[in-house]
Amino acid sequence: EAQVTQNPRYLITVTGKKLTVTCSQNMNHEYMSWYRQDPGLGLRQIYYSMNVEVTDKGDVPEGYKVSRKEKRNFPLILESPSPNQTSLYFCASSLHALYEQYFGPGTRLTVT
Amino acid sequence: AQTVTQSQPEMSVQEAETVTLSCTYDTSESDYYLFWYKQPPSRQMILVIRQEAYKQQNATENRFSVNFQKAAKSFSLKISDSQLGDAAMYFCAYRSGGGSNYKLTFGKGTLLTVNP
Repeated sequence: EAQVTQNPRYLITVTGKKLTVTCSQNMNHEYMSWYRQDPGLGLRQIYYSMNVEVTDKGDVPEGYKVSRKEKRNFPLILESPSPNQTSLYFCASSLHALYEQYFGPGTRLTVT
Repeated sequence: AQTVTQSQPEMSVQEAETVTLSCTYDTSESDYYLFWYKQPPSRQMILVIRQEAYKQQNATENRFSVNFQKAAKSFSLKISDSQLGDAAMYFCAYRSGGGSNYKLTFGKGTLLTVNP
């Protein structure tokens, strides 16, 4: 089944403890992206990747890192999480940047 | 920068009736794409419909159709014969057709309630 998977789905952590949210797609998509969703703000892009080893900042990249060493994986790294990073995170992918994006199931992150 | 505005934070409709969700956007580009995504309580983001700006014909997908008014920069979603399963948050989204990033710019969403 073609899909975008994210792990973990739920995470509660403490300020400053490094964490990684994984994202994987099995559709051989070139384009991948991370968004965060906050009440009243819709979804905002954090980082995106046009292909392997090609990543760039979105609208709200502060406090996040990403890497794209393999085509299928696009992990989101929070080196030192803070409470303002409490949010719902979505990974998305598309065959090419111009095609529609398919979303993972979301990761609910709480930073205390 | 492009912006997307959904002026209706909440809407409700009776089952089997028709409802229209509004979306306007601001852009100086001529090549772009517009989308409606649905987010049910499961939180999954589901693509409902897409519209290419260069196409004059309005997109349709079964009970879902759009009214795309390019000059007015308006992109409304019409849901016909509403069903209980249509209850969800609906997001309008814009994507540039060129440039170095193909991010989706989202509106803040419209929460649709379907009453039995």
